[in-house]
Amino acid sequence: NAGVMQNPRHLVRRRGQEARLRCSPMKGHSHVYWYRQLPEEGLKFMVYLQKENIIDESGMPKERFSAEFPKEGPSILRIQQVVRGDSAAYFCASSPVGPPEIGKLFFGSGTQLSVL
Amino acid sequence: EDKVVQSPLSLVVHEGDTVTLNCSYEVTNFRSLLWYKQEKKAPTFLFMLTSSGIEKKSGRLSSILDKKELFSILNITATQTGDSAVYLCAVEAYRNNNDMRFGAGTRLTVKP
Repeated sequence: NAGVMQNPRHLVRRRGQEARLRCSPMKGHSHVYWYRQLPEEGLKFMVYLQKENIIDESGMPKERFSAEFPKEGPSILRIQQVVRGDSAAYFCASSPVGPPEIGKLFFGSGTQLSVL
Repeated sequence: EDKVVQSPLSLVVHEGDTVTLNCSYEVTNFRSLLWYKQEKKAPTFLFMLTSSGIEKKSGRLSSILDKKELFSILNITATQTGDSAVYLCAVEAYRNNNDMRFGAGTRLTVKP
């Protein structure tokens, strides 16, 4: 049973370009969470999605950031017109259960985004 | 606003030492507290604590939760260089959004 798969592992973009980060949850998991980790900081919640629905995007900047989790295929975190401040590690996690219980999250290895 | 505060932020010890990592929290409708170990990339699960006073153990690691004083500790005895990592504390609440709040982590370095 493969774990949470994220790709790419490393992504380099120039300012103004678009970044697309992909996450395939563990088999059987329909709840996906995206977190951002800046150097020397903890994981910061961005968005929580179920299949075809955004449940909570309160941690995601309103501009330039979007996320989706289509019926088929991976979850995508999209950052348009990237700026240097977007440079961070982006982690995806999945869980088999939904609210009110979340319990243990299974994390992917993350995507390190570097904006030049 | 919910808060999760870990201390110390970093710690350097020698092999064989015992360390205690702290996590205090303020969260509405607390459900559980979780500890993760993050080495190079993905955090890996260590413990989930929901009840006060019940110690959880896994090898040289143990953890306990105090829901009255709103904190948890993670103990590592007889540390090894392989214990070097960032240890993250996360708190889960009963909420519709399934959000977990993470602390900034404690960076543990174990020297030979």
